[in-house]
Amino acid sequence: SFELTQPSSVSVSPGQTVSITCSGDVLAKKYARWFQQKAGQAPSLLLYKDAERPSGIPERFSGSSSGTTVTLTIRGAQVEDDADYYCYSAADNYQAFGGGTRLTVL
Amino acid sequence: DVQLVESGGGLAPRGGSLRLSCAASGFNFSASAIHWVRQASGKGLEWVARITSEANGHRTGFGKPTRGRFIISRDDSKEMAFLQMDSLEIEDTAVYYCRTTEENDFDYWGQGTLVTVSS
Repeated sequence: SFELTQPSSVSVSPGQTVSITCSGDVLAKKYARWFQQKAGQAPSLLLYKDAERPSGIPERFSGSSSGTTVTLTIRGAQVEDDADYYCYSAADNYQAFGGGTRLTVL
Repeated sequence: DVQLVESGGGLAPRGGSLRLSCAASGFNFSASAIHWVRQASGKGLEWVARITSEANGHRTGFGKPTRGRFIISRDDSKEMAFLQMDSLEIEDTAVYYCRTTEENDFDYWGQGTLVTVSS
């Protein structure tokens, strides 16, 4: 098994840039995914393979990876980006989510 | 469109059992892995179980809190997946999501079903 560690909360002003990190030993050899969960909704895929955006995801969302840490960056944050963000990875027969980061845009 | 619809949630006593179902449509069900992920009120996401596609042998895997108490299964002919939950504990109270994945950006979630375990 493995663990993924995220900050519990971050905040950003509209139009500014914010980054959310996710750390775990597994990330040195396995890809991460990022999910966005807005209040009262199911999670939805934001990024896969550390930095790839599914169709329909705005370009202001980007990802990067270095060693055992992956980073989600939102450039020009919008009010609608106010949500919880989770990293995720899978290895062998085990999977895990990070603890989640509450992003407040105000 | 990909759709996953969970059912079977509700109130169960501590030590009791529940069986959750996930009805799928809009994609090649037999080629996709199916997961159950849960979220307690105000808490984060927790991986519960996964069953791989037919091509990958329908292998199963479980998160630590549920290993040995929960069983995941699927019926590809009916495009349905199941989570049999036995020996329920108060800590199993959560919204349970069905999720399907394939390679790359194929990753979809249902809207969830609420399980409440009472003492």
